[in-house]
Amino acid sequence: AQRVTQPEKLLSVFKGAPVELKCNYSYSGSPELFWYVQYSRQRLQLLLRHISRESIKGFTADLNKGETSFHLKKPFAQEEDSAMYYCALSGRSYNTDKLIFGTGTRLQVFP
Amino acid sequence: DAGITQSPRHKVTETGTPVTLRCHQTENHRYMYWYRQDPGHGLRLIHYSYGVKDTDKGEVSDGYSVSRSKTEDFLLTLESATSSQTSVYFCAISDRGIEQYFGPGTRLTVT
Repeated sequence: AQRVTQPEKLLSVFKGAPVELKCNYSYSGSPELFWYVQYSRQRLQLLLRHISRESIKGFTADLNKGETSFHLKKPFAQEEDSAMYYCALSGRSYNTDKLIFGTGTRLQVFP
Repeated sequence: DAGITQSPRHKVTETGTPVTLRCHQTENHRYMYWYRQDPGHGLRLIHYSYGVKDTDKGEVSDGYSVSRSKTEDFLLTLESATSSQTSVYFCAISDRGIEQYFGPGTRLTVT
């Protein structure tokens, strides 16, 4: 079964500390993985997708197929990073790709 | 933000009443999706559409129906609202069925 697991509901760090938001997945095939971010009372925004291998707002994520993980990392957290982060897996079906979301991790960055 | 709007943005209704939420896009994207967002569950797919009059069920479709008579509009209907359908509802669109763009959300309270 296709599944995305985000084990931490809440992650609290101080400004300047490193951040790692964990994401593990279960998928038979070649997955496409994404990180979405939702700032307070705003719409979800795409932050990263693994195929582009880019860094957005200082965040990076590497797909580790051996560990079936796609952890989101940032070396120095900023207060404006405080938000809800969702890991998502694209599960291709006949007519469309459907996103399967994890339950989300709330990141709190304290000054 | 992609051209996606949702209406209404907030609604309070009573148990047993019908409710229709509207998602409108100006991007001419083929794929449209309805999700609900609940604490501890993340985002769960209710229904999706891969073209005009082409729709299919998602993970949590019971109690919901959808219609798409035009490319730009995707309607979500709760035939008889229940308290368990109190949630925040997000619409999303996608051009190629991979990367999704989200609307601002509708906060629905069923009393």
